[in-house]
Amino acid sequence: DAKTTQPPSMDCAEGRAANLPCNHSTISGNEYVYWYRQIHSQGPQYIIHGLKNNETNEMASLIITEDRKSSTLILPHATLRDTAVYYCIVLGPNFGNEKLTFGTGTRLTIIP
Amino acid sequence: DTAVSQTPKYLVTQMGNDKSIKCEQNLGHDTMYWYKQDSKKFLKIMFSYNNKELIINETVPNRFSPKSPDKAHLNLHINSLELGDSAVYFCASTGAGWGEKLFFGSGTQLSVL
Repeated sequence: DAKTTQPPSMDCAEGRAANLPCNHSTISGNEYVYWYRQIHSQGPQYIIHGLKNNETNEMASLIITEDRKSSTLILPHATLRDTAVYYCIVLGPNFGNEKLTFGTGTRLTIIP
Repeated sequence: DTAVSQTPKYLVTQMGNDKSIKCEQNLGHDTMYWYKQDSKKFLKIMFSYNNKELIINETVPNRFSPKSPDKAHLNLHINSLELGDSAVYFCASTGAGWGEKLFFGSGTQLSVL
């Protein structure tokens, strides 16, 4: 069972910031928040992950609330190529033995 | 070089046939997975292997038999294919450290007629 809840769909205007929320109220102290996306029917692609602090990389920023029960993925300047399904996943520190579960995700549509 | 590569990309076959999908990763990862994505786009884990040993088997019919000849390869053999096996199958791999990423292959679209 997925440990996260996300809105099923969102729209965002091209060039604007896309903010994708995720609730993970049962997250444990040593569990990370990961974000992946799947463009059309390609393999899922890693975006970013974090434990407690906010994180930023070349693709996105991840904002995690102080109580760690929710997070927001921010795509600062959305382009048409960012149209995809975005998955928020909670995982332990060494997840090789865990059953990685992808929920239904958020279908993000970037509008020209 | 592709990090996780799967072959074939498309596979069309008749019911009752036996087929295999191959997966190779050149990332030096210890753990590999097979996922199935059906027509409703839900990604479900099927198997996980760590250093050639089966770790996770998610109630997959025993017609599906993964084989890991070495830690860089995880192949999926399917016997007596059924219509319901039609789906996209993704291979993935990851390392064994803190905060590791999961790398996916580009998928194999299996169509059983």
